[in-house]
Amino acid sequence: ETGVTQSPTHLIKTRGQQVTLRCSSQSGHNTVSWYQQALGQGPQFIFQYYREEENGRGNFPPRFSGLQFPNYSSELNVNALELDDSALYLCASSLQPGLNTEAFFGQGTRLTVV
Amino acid sequence: QKEVEQNSGPLSVPEGAIASLNCTYSDRGSQSFFWYRQYSGKSPELIMFIYSNGDKEDGRFTAQLNKASQYVSLLIRDSQPSDSATYLCAVMVGDDKIIFGKGTRLHILP
Repeated sequence: ETGVTQSPTHLIKTRGQQVTLRCSSQSGHNTVSWYQQALGQGPQFIFQYYREEENGRGNFPPRFSGLQFPNYSSELNVNALELDDSALYLCASSLQPGLNTEAFFGQGTRLTVV
Repeated sequence: QKEVEQNSGPLSVPEGAIASLNCTYSDRGSQSFFWYRQYSGKSPELIMFIYSNGDKEDGRFTAQLNKASQYVSLLIRDSQPSDSATYLCAVMVGDDKIIFGKGTRLHILP
């Protein structure tokens, strides 16, 4: 158990809809990163939040957005869902951004877009 | 485009033998390297991290880093069937994101 929890664990949405995924970080961790993992691929970095602000972003369109709250929990929002958005969405928390910082993953949310 | 390359496998190793997993990366400035284990349908689990050139040992696992060659490896001694999983090599780029390889599927033969 990493202490990082995500909800929901599974979700089915229709193309064009919007979805919100949630993550509670490990106690004492102020940094949350989100990843998308398609079947048979490694996780792809979406963005990172540090102390409620976006701290870095991968190659994902603006319809992928996020929030971090004062308790360091986080949300990932995806608008105008596409079939290719079907994937495992992973949240990882760490003590801080930067080098030499290990990230611990939650169990993931499996999103299916039909 | 910063990349992390791994052989996708599957790599089949007899039980009790040494499994050797390899990874190369393109960003010469990278300084933090991680190995994650991922069982089918589960999230990645951190098993090793290494920052300095050379070897780092933790139980049956040894991570090896060669920054000049941009190469990092993971050795698993006395392989067990429970080690069968996908092993993800990950490299920290800058201070904000970790780039993952596609993973190597390891199968330990009983």
